[in-house]
Amino acid sequence: AQSVTQLDSHVSVSEGTPVLLRCNYSSSYSPSLFWYVQHPNKGLQLLLKYTSAATLVKGINGFEAEFKKSETSFHLTKPSAHMSDAAEYFCVVSDRRGSGGSNYKLTFGKGTLLTVNP
Amino acid sequence: NAGVTQTPKFQVLKTGQSMTLQCAQDMNHNSMYWYRQDPGMGLRLIYYSASEGTTDKGEVPNGYNVSRLNKREFSLRLESAAPSQTSVYFCASSGDRAYNSPLHFGNGTRLTVT
Repeated sequence: AQSVTQLDSHVSVSEGTPVLLRCNYSSSYSPSLFWYVQHPNKGLQLLLKYTSAATLVKGINGFEAEFKKSETSFHLTKPSAHMSDAAEYFCVVSDRRGSGGSNYKLTFGKGTLLTVNP
Repeated sequence: NAGVTQTPKFQVLKTGQSMTLQCAQDMNHNSMYWYRQDPGMGLRLIYYSASEGTTDKGEVPNGYNVSRLNKREFSLRLESAAPSQTSVYFCASSGDRAYNSPLHFGNGTRLTVT
C-alpha cells in the first residue's frame, strides 16, 4: 500500500539557518513525489516535483529535495531560511498503476509546520 | 492571472441545510478535483473529474455530489449538511489526470456546520 510519512509535525528554525523537512514514502510502483507549501488562509502551491529524472530536484524559492530510493526518502532542504518561508509543507506521493499513467493514487502527508524565528 | 477561483470564501450552515461550492479555472485544464482538509489529516479527495463530462468518487464521497458544468467549472454540492462536514474545501486542477501532473489549488472555502 502507498503511504507517506512526514517525520516532524513542527520544525522551528532561526532566520538564516538551514531548513530540513523530512519525508519518507512507501510505494509498490514507480512514484512521482511532490512538495507543496501552504501559507495561512491560502491554497497549496507546488514547490518542486520528482518524476524519475534527476534525483536532486530544485524548486522555487531556493528549496531543493533529493530522491533516495534506497532510503525511500524525499527530504526538503533550503540552505538559509527566510521569514517568508514560515508555512505548512506537504509531501505527496503519486504512483502509477499500469500503463498510460492515468490510473494512479495521490497520497498527501499530514504536513509539517515550519516556524522561522527572527 | 486568476488560476483557480473558489466561491464563497467562508460559509456557515445549520445542520440539514444545503449549499453549492463553486470552482472555476482559467488554465484550460482537463482535470479538476475537490479535496477537504482537516487538522492533522492532510488532504483527502472527495470527487474528481478527469475530463469534461466525467466524474468519479474519491476517498470520502459520502454526503457530497459534484457537477462538471463545462471545462472551466466544477461544483461541489452538500445536500444536507452535517457537523462532520465542517472543513476547509479546496478545488484543484491539473492539465491531465496523470500521476506526474502537479495540482493547482484555489484558496479554499471555510465551511462551518452548526
